[in-house]
Amino acid sequence: EAGVVQSPRYKIIEKKQPVAFWCNPISGHNTLYWYLQNLGQGPELLIRYENEEAVDDSQLPKDRFSAERLKGVDSTLKIQPAELGDSAVYLCASSQGQGVYNEQFFGPGTRLTVL
Amino acid sequence: RKEVEQDPGPFNVPEGATVAFNCTYSNSASQSFFWYRQDCRKEPKLLMSVYSSGNEDGRFTAQLNRASQYISLLIRDSKLSDSATYLCAVNEGNKLVFGAGTILRVKS
Repeated sequence: EAGVVQSPRYKIIEKKQPVAFWCNPISGHNTLYWYLQNLGQGPELLIRYENEEAVDDSQLPKDRFSAERLKGVDSTLKIQPAELGDSAVYLCASSQGQGVYNEQFFGPGTRLTVL
Repeated sequence: RKEVEQDPGPFNVPEGATVAFNCTYSNSASQSFFWYRQDCRKEPKLLMSVYSSGNEDGRFTAQLNRASQYISLLIRDSKLSDSATYLCAVNEGNKLVFGAGTILRVKS
């Protein structure tokens, strides 16, 4: 079974430029998550989708970050404009459902460097 | 107080040793807990899920202590390949809240 797919794996941009990350979840997984991970820290949730609906975006900095999951499968996370502090690893995860028994599986991440 | 706290380590142990990490959480209503393993510059990989008092898988045992609000991970007969960062995650309303991780280094 294929895992969560993310692209690109690495991205280097200059500050104030836009950037986009793409994620394809495990087949059949309705719930998709975007996390941000800084060095030496655990992942922090940015946004959670149930099918195409964003059900938790409370931690997403909406002035510069946006996300979409138009057909309830793959998803795109965008930053515009990027700031130096956005340098981090952006992880996508998916799970089959929700609730207590909610095992999440992560993709390889996109390592963003903002210069 | 952070929602999920872990000792950052590093824990330096010889091969064959038994090592245990603890993870404390603040939300007493949390019902499910997870241990992930993360290698350097890789994604977190699910190691164990804990829904009741504990779980065991080979050399790995996870225990939940609801009264004291902590979960532990015990690794027996440590291997060099166990060297990694171990992340604790607590399920809070369909959202996983992670600790910062504990670094384990197993040496020959």
